[in-house]
Amino acid sequence: AQSVTQLDSQVPVFEEAPVELRCNYSSSVSVYLFWYVQYPNQGLQLLLKYLSGSTLVKGINGFEAEFNKSQTSFHLRKPSVHISDTAEYFCAVISGYSTLTFGKGTMLLVSP
Amino acid sequence: DTGVSQNPRHKITKRGQNVTFRCDPISEHNRLYWYRQTLGQGPEFLTYFQNEAQLEKSRLLSDRFSAERPKGSFSTLEIQRTEQGDSAMYLCASSLAETGGEKLFFGSGTQLSVL
Repeated sequence: AQSVTQLDSQVPVFEEAPVELRCNYSSSVSVYLFWYVQYPNQGLQLLLKYLSGSTLVKGINGFEAEFNKSQTSFHLRKPSVHISDTAEYFCAVISGYSTLTFGKGTMLLVSP
Repeated sequence: DTGVSQNPRHKITKRGQNVTFRCDPISEHNRLYWYRQTLGQGPEFLTYFQNEAQLEKSRLLSDRFSAERPKGSFSTLEIQRTEQGDSAMYLCASSLAETGGEKLFFGSGTQLSVL
């Protein structure tokens, strides 16, 4: 069975500050990892994904994430956030023949 | 590519009524997924189709839930005898199996409120 843990339900940060949203997963087989973003009143949008290869993955809007197999983590980072980054962020995993499993989400709140 | 379309956007119903939601995937996508999202939770997988075949339905929440994709294009999700606990956002997503199938495109969802 696979699962995703997002320990932080909310992360408040000031504009232009760096941010890290944490994600840990569990799976007995190799995984594909994803971050999705959900802006208010909008559908989920793929930010970035890790399938294989380089463990540092760059996505849209200046976000990046690093796959760490030994720590079973896939933390999302951005060096300088904007007000427009305020949204809910979901980490998700696929392993084996399973379907996409999501974490509970982290609300990123960017204030001026 | 007009994206994944879901109708209606909002549905308010009384307990005990049946409701049906529709999802139109991206036209060339052969996989279609249904998820449910409640407040403070991530999307929860319900079922998925590849073309018209329903490949996984054991995660449907009860036998009151059913989904169809009769011609391998649009899909419907029906909830019979709705309960207040069914109130949630129902999300549809689609993907193309030939390119790995793992990149899901989501619709904006149908928000169900059961009174």
